[in-house]
Amino acid sequence: QQQVKQSPQSLIVQKGGISIINCAYENTAFDYFPWYQQFPGKGPALLIAIRPDVSEKKEGRFTISFNKSAKQFSLHIMDSQPGDSATYFCAASHHGQNFVFGPGTRLSVLP
Amino acid sequence: ETGVTQSPTHLIKTRGQQVTLRCSSQSGHNTVSWYQQALGQGPQFIFQYYREEENGRGNFPPRFSGLQFPNYSSELNVNALELDDSALYLCASMTSTDTQYFGPGTRLTVL
Repeated sequence: QQQVKQSPQSLIVQKGGISIINCAYENTAFDYFPWYQQFPGKGPALLIAIRPDVSEKKEGRFTISFNKSAKQFSLHIMDSQPGDSATYFCAASHHGQNFVFGPGTRLSVLP
Repeated sequence: ETGVTQSPTHLIKTRGQQVTLRCSSQSGHNTVSWYQQALGQGPQFIFQYYREEENGRGNFPPRFSGLQFPNYSSELNVNALELDDSALYLCASMTSTDTQYFGPGTRLTVL
């Protein structure tokens, strides 16, 4: 019930390509869905977040697509750059409490 | 920089010992959460404090305890350390809109 599933585990994309990472959840009480980027030796940093009252949110090259009926959400990184190479985590929470994180996707963008 | 600091950066302890990790949150952020991140995994929610009171706890035993102080600092205490406690420990301060700002973490090694 509290688990957030994330796929793929790892992803290799050419520079300029689109990176897509998918997540699925079970708990319909979740009301906040953030994506975090983490570089080695650093803490996670918020990239973009969405709430279930909208189906899509775009910030620069990053877009979240949200499908409430399927209980799925995804991160799209347009024009992927080598500097985007990092581990990405989706997460979910209810009223800002008990954040549940996915297991992560290691993205490598080839130059 | 997120404005969230943690100390120490690295720590080595032996099984059975006790450890205290410290976090300094952003000024004005009344909510702080602590996470355990094992190597290659997503952060696992330990607990959350709001205005010096615990208001959420993950699936961690009572030997994990915490404190939050009025000056936006907080502590994570772990008693009777076990080998499996070896991990990166992250704290995150949170805004009223659920945005979390993570510190760089403390790498704990239990021998």
